[in-house]
Amino acid sequence: AIQLTQSPSSLSASVGDRVTITCRASQGISRALAWYHQQPGKAPKLLIYDTSSSASSSESGVPSRFSGSGSGTDFTLTISSLLPEDFATYYCQQYYSYPCTFGGGTKVEIK
Amino acid sequence: EVQLVESGGGLVQPGGSTRLSCAASGFIFSSYAMSWVRQAPGKGLEWVSAISAIGSNAFYADSVQGRFTISRDNSKNTLHLQMNSLRGDDTAVYFCARDVGSDPFFGHWGQGTLVSVSS
Repeated sequence: AIQLTQSPSSLSASVGDRVTITCRASQGISRALAWYHQQPGKAPKLLIYDTSSSASSSESGVPSRFSGSGSGTDFTLTISSLLPEDFATYYCQQYYSYPCTFGGGTKVEIK
Repeated sequence: EVQLVESGGGLVQPGGSTRLSCAASGFIFSSYAMSWVRQAPGKGLEWVSAISAIGSNAFYADSVQGRFTISRDNSKNTLHLQMNSLRGDDTAVYFCARDVGSDPFFGHWGQGTLVSVSS
């Protein structure tokens, strides 16, 4: 199975900070990578798919402060300016091949 | 509005079995592949299993291969996960999730159902 390694596992940041989370795959996955965030006690929410495409829902789109980049084995999620609602845990997921796999998560905490 | 509602969780003894269900509404169920994703208490997400839109193909994580079986009833818009030979490390919240399109990433999730494996 393809392993995904996220870093850092946690970080402390302030409202308004720019934050970058990385996800490294154990083998090439082209651009088949998604990002989610999850608030405690809630289901994950899709933010980005195909490495850099913003998800949307019938209720609301994903804010433009979230962006993704990368290809092959190295990927990043960037939050350009943190808002209070962005303090959560973030996960990457590869869907290049089964079994799908998730990264270990990055917890973004308030400094 | 897409809705996914899981049921069937609870306390199960080690070695026991249980069956989870996910009732889907708000979309054409038979057009989408579906997955189960779990999250052990305080831990990260783990993809468990997926099934194609018409149920012809199923995929499993190594950790559940041979013990869990995914199935679907498109006439009843329902997804199932039959879980056998349960172990303590199967304790988790189990989410059903719907693919966004033709690739297995998940734009819609249920609220989850907790399965606790303990004597």
